[in-house]
Amino acid sequence: DGGITQSPKYLFRKEGQNVTLSCEQNLNHDAMYWYRQDPGQGLRLIYYSQIVNDFQKGDIAEGYSVSREKKESFPLTVTSAQKNPTAFYLCASTSSRGVFGYTFGSGTRLTVV
Amino acid sequence: QKEVEQDPGPLSVPEGAIVSLNCTYSNSAFQYFMWYRQYSRKGPELLMYTYSSGNKEDGRFTAQVDKSSKYISLFIRDSQPSDSATYLCAMSLSEYSGAGSYQLTFGKGTKLSVIP
Repeated sequence: DGGITQSPKYLFRKEGQNVTLSCEQNLNHDAMYWYRQDPGQGLRLIYYSQIVNDFQKGDIAEGYSVSREKKESFPLTVTSAQKNPTAFYLCASTSSRGVFGYTFGSGTRLTVV
Repeated sequence: QKEVEQDPGPLSVPEGAIVSLNCTYSNSAFQYFMWYRQYSRKGPELLMYTYSSGNKEDGRFTAQVDKSSKYISLFIRDSQPSDSATYLCAMSLSEYSGAGSYQLTFGKGTKLSVIP
């Protein structure tokens, strides 16, 4: 079955550490997105990528970095510069159906300890 | 004023009740409107989508858009305990995903509990 796989499901980070969240899709989607979800905040866009080797900042990109070396993969690194990284992170991709074709992964819960 | 306003709830109803979930928005250029359902610790899944004003029905779910009032609604008839989830409204300026203004703008989500 096609879909988006995010790993790990839960991740714990110590203060000052960088961590990388994995996002892999086998849907052959061109566009991929990273969202952050906090209680009472809805989904906020961190980064997005339309094609391989190209990506753009979203609304809250500070303290995050991404890469898009393969169409299937869009990893997100949460750096030590991110002051409040504890959140639920969601990866998504879209098909040629555009905004009606969003598929989300199951998310990664990151907690700073 | 935020672009999309959605009452976060929580909203608790008895099984079988009619549920009304709502969002208001400020950008009159939004044309595409979606409702997502998100179960706890899962990713959102698209429930319904509509273009411009009007109603759309799918089983127990009805989506309404009133562009003149900048107001969208999701109605759930004969609510079931399995409907317990967070419901997020989302909207977009254009149908096609792409750079710039084609991303989705989400409401904060309303947490719904349907009590047996």
